[in-house]
Amino acid sequence: QKEVEQDPGPLSVPEGAIVSLNCTYSNSAFQYFMWYRQYSRKGPELLMYTYSSGNKEDGRFTAQVDKSSKYISLFIRDSQPSDSATYLCAMREKTSYDKVIFGPGTSLSVIP
Amino acid sequence: EAQVTQNPRYLITVTGKKLTVTCSQNMNHEYMSWYRQDPGLGLRQIYYSMNVEVTDKGDVPEGYKVSRKEKRNFPLILESPSPNQTSLYFCASSSEAGTAWTQYFGPGTRLLVL
Repeated sequence: QKEVEQDPGPLSVPEGAIVSLNCTYSNSAFQYFMWYRQYSRKGPELLMYTYSSGNKEDGRFTAQVDKSSKYISLFIRDSQPSDSATYLCAMREKTSYDKVIFGPGTSLSVIP
Repeated sequence: EAQVTQNPRYLITVTGKKLTVTCSQNMNHEYMSWYRQDPGLGLRQIYYSMNVEVTDKGDVPEGYKVSRKEKRNFPLILESPSPNQTSLYFCASSSEAGTAWTQYFGPGTRLLVL
């Protein structure tokens, strides 16, 4: 079993839809949970991170962490064509400094 | 402007010819990492560095070397490249203060080993 699993998609939604992206993980020591956005031919960009469990909101984006289920989610409200990208979840332990484990990414297309 | 730069951006080489990909950050971050990204396998960490002269292996370190002699630079060295090292490489830097954490990635280096 991989440490971090993510549905690769592709996922295609109409503009304005609510998008739900999800990852599961197996390492209960993970404490930082991150979401990155990667446009084609660009480097990943850190969108949001959550320390430990709970929710975090930033504009149209909401990140949720359920440590009991080892499950994290990213919700995108009022999705826009500019949200079309690959979304990567990632995780790390508190004391593992820069050792980050990434999921394979979900490709999202928002159709105008 | 916060920035991680990588050079070269594109590189075609032949098996066995040593090469270095440079990485530099202007944010005074303590941590730096190298990743490779391959279709279906996602981003995998090659090496990471917690500070000057402190490095450690990631998940796929075989065939790579790194050094961290200055805080801002973290070059990736392929002593004898092989075709299975054809990939897209990213450098990243990050900083942590308490539970606050930030990370920036470079634009990527696309390497083809013939």
